[in-house]
Amino acid sequence: DVKVTQSSRYLVKRTGEKVFLECVQDMDHENMFWYRQDPGLGLRLIYFSYDVKMKEKGDIPEGYSVSREKKERFSLILESASTNQTSMYLCASSLRGQGRRELFFGEGSRLTVL
Amino acid sequence: AQSVTQLDSQVPVFEEAPVELRCNYSSSVSVYLFWYVQYPNQGLQLLLKYLSGSTLVKGINGFEAEFNKSQTSFHLRKPSVHISDTAEYFCAVSDRSSYKLIFGSGTRLLVRP
Repeated sequence: DVKVTQSSRYLVKRTGEKVFLECVQDMDHENMFWYRQDPGLGLRLIYFSYDVKMKEKGDIPEGYSVSREKKERFSLILESASTNQTSMYLCASSLRGQGRRELFFGEGSRLTVL
Repeated sequence: AQSVTQLDSQVPVFEEAPVELRCNYSSSVSVYLFWYVQYPNQGLQLLLKYLSGSTLVKGINGFEAEFNKSQTSFHLRKPSVHISDTAEYFCAVSDRSSYKLIFGSGTRLLVRP
């Protein structure tokens, strides 16, 4: 089974802190994604990566950056956390190629910024 | 840009009753369609997907969905729900030229005894 592991299930941070959310997948998937989930808004794409060191902005990249130094690891960085970044963050991965859009998700990281 | 509309934010239903969760997407270009389920405090898991071929797609846990290109819809159905089906359900669409999945806002299915 594909396993996507997010390092922290729950985090509490203070405004202005730098926050790292880590995600590791074990199935050699080329694509990795970071989504943000908020009630009533569904999942919104922050960033995705289709290869090592490659990244593309999603729909809501402001206030976030990402890093992909190894194929299996995709990190989301909040340079200076703000209260409006309190949310559930979901990492996902998928294979490259036509007909391979299925995403495999981690269990999520719930971030609270005080 | 592609968008997904889930018309119902919450659907209450009694156990063993049938249910339909509605999903419409914005573009009629060639798409891939998905339904995911999220149980409390968990990530999303795939229920079913439409890539091509038969418009009636069967998934896990007795769910099925029908792709209707003319109505740009992909409604999810189950003939008889269980308490354990209580969860949030997300519809998602991807243009065939993109790796990105666009998600709807979700429908919370609440199954009552």
